[in-house]
Amino acid sequence: KQEVTQIPAALSVPEGENLVLNCSFTDSAIYNLQWFRQDPGKGLTSLLLIQSSQREQTSGRLNASLDKSSGRSTLYIAASQPGDSATYLCAVDTGRRALTFGSGTRLQVQP
Amino acid sequence: SAVISQKPSRDICQRGTSLTIQCQVDSQVTMMFWYRQQPGQSLTLIATANQGSEATYESGFVIDKFPISRPNLTFSTLTVSNMSPEDSSIYLCSVQGTGTGELFFGEGSRLTVL
Repeated sequence: KQEVTQIPAALSVPEGENLVLNCSFTDSAIYNLQWFRQDPGKGLTSLLLIQSSQREQTSGRLNASLDKSSGRSTLYIAASQPGDSATYLCAVDTGRRALTFGSGTRLQVQP
Repeated sequence: SAVISQKPSRDICQRGTSLTIQCQVDSQVTMMFWYRQQPGQSLTLIATANQGSEATYESGFVIDKFPISRPNLTFSTLTVSNMSPEDSSIYLCSVQGTGTGELFFGEGSRLTVL
């Protein structure tokens, strides 16, 4: 059974810092990996999708990497802003098109 | 991408009653997914709903408690039956975009059971 772990569970940083969120998964036979953002009481916003054949994806200040063999992904946020404050969720698709989620990293960026 | 609308956005219900959540997508999709997010927790898949067939439920979820309808390629409903306070959660509908496998989510339906 696929298990997804995210570290740290919570993170507080001053505005402008670069930061890295970590995600690990137990079964490397994944179809893709997706990073989401969730604001309090809201649904999920898709940030980046990495196919199993890819090593990384970039969107603006966000960069996600994937090392399938070691079961790891990282989300890099450059020059963090208070508006980046949210919970970040990592999820993997093992081919069923449904996702297994990590427990999330709650990020607070202090102005 | 896909635009997903859920109704209701939130509701407060009495123990023992049932509530039906609607999910409308702006394009035709084969698979729709229903997730639950309990307070302070991450998302757990309830079931996968394909048009024209019975929904497939994950371990720990049963059709009598969470009946699902999928009458066409743009719409689905999830009913939470005989509710108890433990059913207080956010329920989210999800669909897969065409081509990439990227999944998109609705805003969720926040349910509070008293």
